[in-house]
Amino acid sequence: EAQVTQNPRYLITVTGKKLTVTCSQNMNHEYMSWYRQDPGLGLRQIYYSMNVEVTDKGDVPEGYKVSRKEKRNFPLILESPSPNQTSLYFCASSAGLAQETQYFGPGTRLLVL
Amino acid sequence: AQKITQTQPGMFVQEKEAVTLDCTYDTSDPSYGLFWYKQPSSGEMIFLIYQGSYDQQNATEGRYSLNFQKARKSANLVISASQLGDSAMYFCAMRGHGGATNKLIFGTGTLLAVQP
Repeated sequence: EAQVTQNPRYLITVTGKKLTVTCSQNMNHEYMSWYRQDPGLGLRQIYYSMNVEVTDKGDVPEGYKVSRKEKRNFPLILESPSPNQTSLYFCASSAGLAQETQYFGPGTRLLVL
Repeated sequence: AQKITQTQPGMFVQEKEAVTLDCTYDTSDPSYGLFWYKQPSSGEMIFLIYQGSYDQQNATEGRYSLNFQKARKSANLVISASQLGDSAMYFCAMRGHGGATNKLIFGTGTLLAVQP
């Protein structure tokens, strides 16, 4: 089954404790992206990757890191989480840059205390 | 700047009736794509339908159709024969042609409640 998977689905952590949210897709998509969803603000792009070893900042990259060592994986790293990073996070992938549909993972709910 | 506007924070519809969710957009790109996603209470984002700016016909996917009026810059979602399982948050989104981000610009969403 073609899908985007994220782990963990739910995470509670404390300020400053490094964490990684994994994202994997099995559709051989070149393009991957991370979004965060906050009430009243909708979804905003954090980082994106056009292909292996090619990543760039989205609209709200502060406090996040990403890597793209393999085509299928695009982990999101919070080196020192803060309470304002409490949010619902989505990973998405698409075949390319044109109008191809972006398929979303199931989401990761993060609470930073 | 690109922008998506959804003016209906919430709507009710009776089961088996049709409902239209409004979406207007603003862009200066000549080529763009419009998307609708459904987000049930479980949180996942489910792709529903896509309309390209150069498509001559309105997109349809089962009970979903997109009423695309390019001159008015509107891309309303029509759900026919509503079902209880259609109760969810619905987001309109746009992707412009220019740039490498492939970023989707989302509206603030419309919460749809289907009543039996």
